[in-house]
Amino acid sequence: GENVEQHPSTLSVQEGDSAVIKCTYSDSASNYFPWYKQELGKGPQLIIDIRSNVGEKKDQRIAVTLNKTAKHFSLHITETQPEDSAVYFCAAPWGKAARQLTFGSGTQLTVLP
Amino acid sequence: DAGVTQSPTHLIKTRGQQVTLRCSPKSGHDTVSWYQQALGQGPQFIFQYYEEEERQRGNFPDRFSGHQFPNYSSELNVNALLLGDSALYLCASSPTVNTGELFFGEGSRLTVL
Repeated sequence: GENVEQHPSTLSVQEGDSAVIKCTYSDSASNYFPWYKQELGKGPQLIIDIRSNVGEKKDQRIAVTLNKTAKHFSLHITETQPEDSAVYFCAAPWGKAARQLTFGSGTQLTVLP
Repeated sequence: DAGVTQSPTHLIKTRGQQVTLRCSPKSGHDTVSWYQQALGQGPQFIFQYYEEEERQRGNFPDRFSGHQFPNYSSELNVNALLLGDSALYLCASSPTVNTGELFFGEGSRLTVL
C-alpha cells in the first residue's frame, strides 16, 4: 500500500511568519494529494488539495506544491495567524478506485502571538 | 445542509464488550468510510461502504464490521473490545463520482477500560 511520511512532527512559528510542512509518498501512481486541518476535538477538515497534473495550487494564504519526480508535496502557510494553530495531515490515495486515503503522522503547528 | 454526523460523541466500554457507532453522511453522498485515529496519530482506514456493500478494507481484524443502510447511513461494530481499540473513530463521506475529497464527521471517542 501507500506509505506517507510527514515532517516535522511539531512546528512553532511567530505570528506573521511562514510555515512549511513536507510529505513524501511511495506509490508513483498516486494522483491526488489533500491536506487536512484538525482542530482539538474536531474531525479533519480539507483545506487544500492538488492533482498530479499541476505543480502548485494557491488559496489565499495557503499553497501546496507537488514534485512527482521526487514524490513529495508540501504545504505552505504564509502570514500565519493564531487560528492557524492545529494539527495538519497530508494524505495520498491508494486501493481500488484510489478512494482510500493513507495519512501522514501529522504536524502540530503552533503560531505564537 | 448538514454535514457528516456521528453518534455517540463519547463512550466508555470495558474489555470484551461490543460497541456500535453510527454515521449519517453529508447530503448527496452515498459512500461512507470509517477511520480509526489513535491519540497523536493520523487516521487509519478501516473500511468503505457503497451500495450497502463493503468495497474496500484496511488492515483491521474481523472484530471490526460494518453496515450501510438504504439511506446511506452506516454503522461500525467492534466486538471483543481490547484496550488498544481506544481511539477516535471517524466517519467520512464522499459523493459517488468521488474526486478523492472526504468530508469527515467530528468522530466518536471510544475509551476501553
